[in-house]
Amino acid sequence: EAGVAQSPRYKIIEKRQSVAFWCNPISGHATLYWYQQILGQGPKLLIQFQNNGVVDDSQLPKDRFSAERLKGVDSTLKIQPAKLEDSAVYLCASSLETLYGYTFGSGTRLTVV
Amino acid sequence: GQQLNQSPQSMFIQEGEDVSMNCTSSSIFNTWLWYKQDPGEGPVLLIALYKAGELTSNGRLTAQFGITRKDSFLNISASIPSDVGIYFCAGQRGSNYKLTFGKGTLLTVNP
Repeated sequence: EAGVAQSPRYKIIEKRQSVAFWCNPISGHATLYWYQQILGQGPKLLIQFQNNGVVDDSQLPKDRFSAERLKGVDSTLKIQPAKLEDSAVYLCASSLETLYGYTFGSGTRLTVV
Repeated sequence: GQQLNQSPQSMFIQEGEDVSMNCTSSSIFNTWLWYKQDPGEGPVLLIALYKAGELTSNGRLTAQFGITRKDSFLNISASIPSDVGIYFCAGQRGSNYKLTFGKGTLLTVNP
């Protein structure tokens, strides 16, 4: 079974620029999550999709972050404009209905300078 | 938001030693999970606990779901160099499977 695919692996941008991350979940996984992991911290949920609908985006900074999951498969997370404090690893995960099937991708490491 | 207090922050041990780390919360969780994260990779699930008092093993790893549902521990026996990494506890409550993570325990194993 192929894992959760994310791209790019690394991205360096200047503050106030925009950036987008892409995630392809495991085939058949209805639920998709975007987590932000700041250095030295555990991952923090940004947004959760069930198929192409948003289940939880309570911790997504909506003034600058946006995410979509068209057709209930791939997803993109965008930051516009980026701030220095957005430097982090952005992890995508997907799952079936059961929690045990919660699989993370390798993440995108974003550095904002 | 919910906070998980994970300790210790880091551990330096000799190969062959046993390791113990724990996680506490001010809130009740329905599920406790333990993940390991290697450099440049996403977290990988090690053990999932679904019932208060549950004790579960996965090879050299053993984890328990506290009776109060506010804590969990993970033990690693007879550590080996490939155990090196960051271990995270995570709690889940509610029906949307959202996870709250601890800050992690960095484990270093000296061969």
